[in-house]
Parts: sequence; C-alpha cells; structure tokens
Amino acid sequence: EAQLVESGGGMVQPGESLRLSCEASGFTVSSSYMSWVRQAPGKGLDLVSVIYSGGSTLYADAVKDRFTISRDNSKNTVYLQMNSLRVEDTAVYYCAKGFSDYDWGYFDHWGQGTLVAVSS
Amino acid sequence: DIQMTQSPSSVSASVGDRVTITCRASQGLSSWLAWYQQKPGKAPKLLIWRASTLQSGVPSRFRGSGSETDFTLTITSLLPEDFATYYCQQASSFPLTFGGGTKVEIK
Repeated sequence: EAQLVESGGGMVQPGESLRLSCEASGFTVSSSYMSWVRQAPGKGLDLVSVIYSGGSTLYADAVKDRFTISRDNSKNTVYLQMNSLRVEDTAVYYCAKGFSDYDWGYFDHWGQGTLVAVSS
Repeated sequence: DIQMTQSPSSVSASVGDRVTITCRASQGLSSWLAWYQQKPGKAPKLLIWRASTLQSGVPSRFRGSGSETDFTLTITSLLPEDFATYYCQQASSFPLTFGGGTKVEIK
C-alpha cells in the first residue's frame, strides 16, 4: 500500500525559507507523477507544483520563481524548497501521488500534511 | 486557468437522504474531472475520477456524472460517515484547479 509522510513544516518569518520533504513507501517516486497541494486555513485546495516521472516540473503562478520541486530517487523522497516565503503561503501542504502516467492529474494517495505558518 | 464553481457551498441533510452536488467548469473538460471527500483535519480522499469512475474501495452510493462543463456528485443514501466537505477538481489542463467545496452537514 502506498504511503506518503510529509515533514519540514514550521513557523517562519516573511522572506525566510523552508524545505518540505515527502517520504514515499509502497511505490517509487521516480516512476510516478508527484504533486504538492496546499490548503490555507479554512480554505480550499490549490495545486502548487508537479514533478513528472520524467523529471519535468510545473509550478502555479503564485509560487513560480520562489518554490522548487525535486526528488531524490535513492531516498524515494520528494522535496519542496520554498524561498522568499510570504504570509499568503501559510497553509497545510500535502504531498500527493498521481493515479497513473495517463491519469496523473488524479491524486489517489495523499500524505497527512505539514503546516507552514508565515508570520512576522 | 480553468475556474471550477461548486454549488451549493453547504447543504444540510439527514441520514438516508439523497444529496446532489454540482460542479461547473469555465471551459470544457471532456471527462477530466475528479471528486474528493475531506474530513476535518484529514487529507482529501479520491472518490471519483474521469467524471464517473468509482475509485477502488469507495462505496457504490457515491455516483459521478456529467461531461464538458457540467458535473454532478450524488450520494444516494447518506450515512453518518459521509458528513464531510466535497471538492471537484479538473484534470484537463495545468494548473489543475479545485472547486470551492461543498460542506455536507447534519440536519
């Protein structure tokens, strides 16, 4: 059974950086489409970034040039490097696995989430 | 970006009721649509994908229908564990976008 465990969240000040980790088990991240989805307190869901099985990456406009998604195949882990954090980046960040290569846009497994709080 | 509009934003219902949630896309999606259930403090759970395909392990009382711009999630007979927030999500083009959510509450 696929499992995802996020870590790395915390409270930071505006302009600071954080790196989130998503350790996977039960499948290999290098063969999967992996995404980060965030949810601001009391709000809906927003896709942040995707890394394709081939290594290509995509970013939402709100985080482009500030966030970087990557993976370490040897650790079966996906990362989200978040720089120049803003108050509006405050959210629970979920790691999610795409259903398949063709149906990568459906998220069939999710982590438990990690809270990022940006405040002065 | 494709805008996803869900209605209603909340619904009060009783155990055994039939509940219908609608989702409208700002442009045609073919059948590239999913539905998720989220309970407080938990991650979303995939219920339906490709508009009408039931995810493995999801009870058959959940039904998805529709195509292009208009989609529906129906819960045919509510159980206590179905009280939650439901989101639609388009998988047609990046950035993938979600609806604003529909909270199903106990009447």
